[in-house]
Amino acid sequence: QQQVKQSPQSLIVQKGGISIINCAYENTAFDYFPWYQQFPGKGPALLIAIRPDVSEKKEGRFTISFNKSAKQFSLHIMDSQPGDSATYFCAASRAGTASKLTFGTGTRLQVTL
Amino acid sequence: GAVVSQHPSRVICKSGTSVKIECRSLDFQATTMFWYRQFPKQSLMLMATSNEGSKATYEQGVEKDKFLINHASLTLSTLTVTSAHPEDSSFYICSARTIGSVETQYFGPGTRLLVL
Repeated sequence: QQQVKQSPQSLIVQKGGISIINCAYENTAFDYFPWYQQFPGKGPALLIAIRPDVSEKKEGRFTISFNKSAKQFSLHIMDSQPGDSATYFCAASRAGTASKLTFGTGTRLQVTL
Repeated sequence: GAVVSQHPSRVICKSGTSVKIECRSLDFQATTMFWYRQFPKQSLMLMATSNEGSKATYEQGVEKDKFLINHASLTLSTLTVTSAHPEDSSFYICSARTIGSVETQYFGPGTRLLVL
């Protein structure tokens, strides 16, 4: 069962534009939602994370928007740069499960000049 | 801070041999470490959860006798792929959760395994 659905599968954005990646979850017990960035041949790196008690969190050019009623959350990358070209994964976990993460399917972002 | 290393970064072995992959938390103690497997252009698949001093908990469908996990200290967990076969070729990634952090996982750089 796919518990976290991620879209789009791939995304091309011009330099300076806004990249938007969306995720939807099914399990209402999830209470922690991180985003990871992965470059080819490397492990994922934590970008930003949010809990359901807030609707938005911003760190630099990265913003998470969270809609609890719709069970959706999204990552916005402002002023996208070529160095942001990578694969992005959303994930979710719930308390009491040893923090096991359920990952989305990933979005390959390409930022063009 | 929160750096996780893996060794080796890349390994090629013959079919039937065993391969050990180490995962270390360099600047923090980790009571829990996780092992993932990732195929090309796919997401991460959790294989097992490793707790220091106790047996690992394997996900459904993961053979515990084939993927041996040992978490002997608060900074080291090892994954041994026993009697490796070409279908075991994959990218293996570990992550560690810091003591006191309920959710945050920090990932290692991954180990590329190729079984010939």
